[in-house]
Amino acid sequence: EVQLVESGGGLVQPGGSLRLSCAASGFTFSSYSMSWVRQAPGKGLEWVSVISGSGGITHYADSVKGRFTISRDNSKNTLSLQMNSLRADDTAVYYCAITGIALAGRFDHWGQGTLVTVSS
Amino acid sequence: DIQMTQSPSTLSASVGDRVTITCRASQSMSTWLAWYQQKPGKAPKLLIYKASSLESGVPSRFSGSGSGTEFTLTISSLQPDDIATYYCQQYNSYPWTFGQGTKVEIK
Repeated sequence: EVQLVESGGGLVQPGGSLRLSCAASGFTFSSYSMSWVRQAPGKGLEWVSVISGSGGITHYADSVKGRFTISRDNSKNTLSLQMNSLRADDTAVYYCAITGIALAGRFDHWGQGTLVTVSS
Repeated sequence: DIQMTQSPSTLSASVGDRVTITCRASQSMSTWLAWYQQKPGKAPKLLIYKASSLESGVPSRFSGSGSGTEFTLTISSLQPDDIATYYCQQYNSYPWTFGQGTKVEIK
């Protein structure tokens, strides 16, 4: 059974940093691109970043470029999102999602999400 | 960036009704479009990909169509379990973008 379990969310002050993790199981992790998608409270979905199966290709939304870094450790089946210079509008539930093979672009399976709150 | 606009924002229908949600793209994007269902407090779930391909395990009452700039998601016979918010998403070009969502309610 495919499982994605996010962790690392919490309350952080504006300008602070946080690192999210997503533990994957039930599939060949290194074969699949992975993404982070976020959802502000009561709002719609926003794609944040994607990384290829090998980790060699990454893309970011303009809203997080230069502040967030996506990475993966295929030996540990773990996806990460390092978030720096956090702002109030980064407050959201962050989901990790399987994004198919070769950056397919659709989100085949989602984790349960982890809440990030940026507030003083 | 490709902007995705869904209509309506909210839809109220009776059990058994045929329901259609429209998603319009700001520029042509072939059929690189997906539809998701999100129930309150839950993660989204993929329903349709490549505009009209049904994801494995999704009931056949869900269908998708369209290409270019106009796409539709149809529920052939609305069921109580279909109460949710539905999102379209384009993956034709970066940044991948979502529609604002359509909330489906039972009348």
